[in-house]
Amino acid sequence: AQSVAQPEDQVNVAEGNPLTVKCTYSVSGNPYLFWYVQYPNRGLQFLLKYITGDNLVKGSYGFEAEFNKSQTSFHLKKPSALVSDSALYFCAVSGSNAGGTSYGKLTFGQGTILTVHP
Amino acid sequence: KAGVTQTPRYLIKTRGQQVTLSCSPISGHRSVSWYQQTPGQGLQFLFEYFSETQRNKGNFPGRFSGRQFSNSRSEMNVSTLELGDSALYLCASSLTPTSGTYNEQFFGPGTRLTVL
Repeated sequence: AQSVAQPEDQVNVAEGNPLTVKCTYSVSGNPYLFWYVQYPNRGLQFLLKYITGDNLVKGSYGFEAEFNKSQTSFHLKKPSALVSDSALYFCAVSGSNAGGTSYGKLTFGQGTILTVHP
Repeated sequence: KAGVTQTPRYLIKTRGQQVTLSCSPISGHRSVSWYQQTPGQGLQFLFEYFSETQRNKGNFPGRFSGRQFSNSRSEMNVSTLELGDSALYLCASSLTPTSGTYNEQFFGPGTRLTVL
């Protein structure tokens, strides 16, 4: 079974400060990791993914995430937060099966509300 | 390229009725997944279809079903609606996964179902 934990329900930061949204995961096999953002009354928007390769992944809107296999973590980061970054952020994982592919199932964390204050 | 579209966007039904939701994937995407989002349970995987076949299924009762057509469009059906089925239902599409990789899913805006 695969699972994701986002230990913080809310994260508050001041505009211009760096932000981190935490995520840890559990999965058998190689993890495929994702971050999505959701604005009110909208679907989820893809930010970035880790499949393989460099542990630091860069994505949309200046976001990046660091994959740490030993700590089974995939924290989302941004060097300088904007008020417009305020939204609900989801970490998700999909595990590979023996054949190296997975079948469309993402397991999501409970989400973290990010609030950036002016 | 147009994104994932879902119809209708809002739906109000009463207990015991059934409902059908529709999803049109991004052109060229052949995998379609469905998720239920509620404040209490968060985002939960319902099922995934590829080439008109259900390849994966979440832990939902048999009242929840789906299908995919030859043009990759998908529908999900919920029969005998219960109050607890009130949720945002999200559809996502992705390119066909190849061995050793995983293509990200792109989500539609969702259908907000309210059961009275």
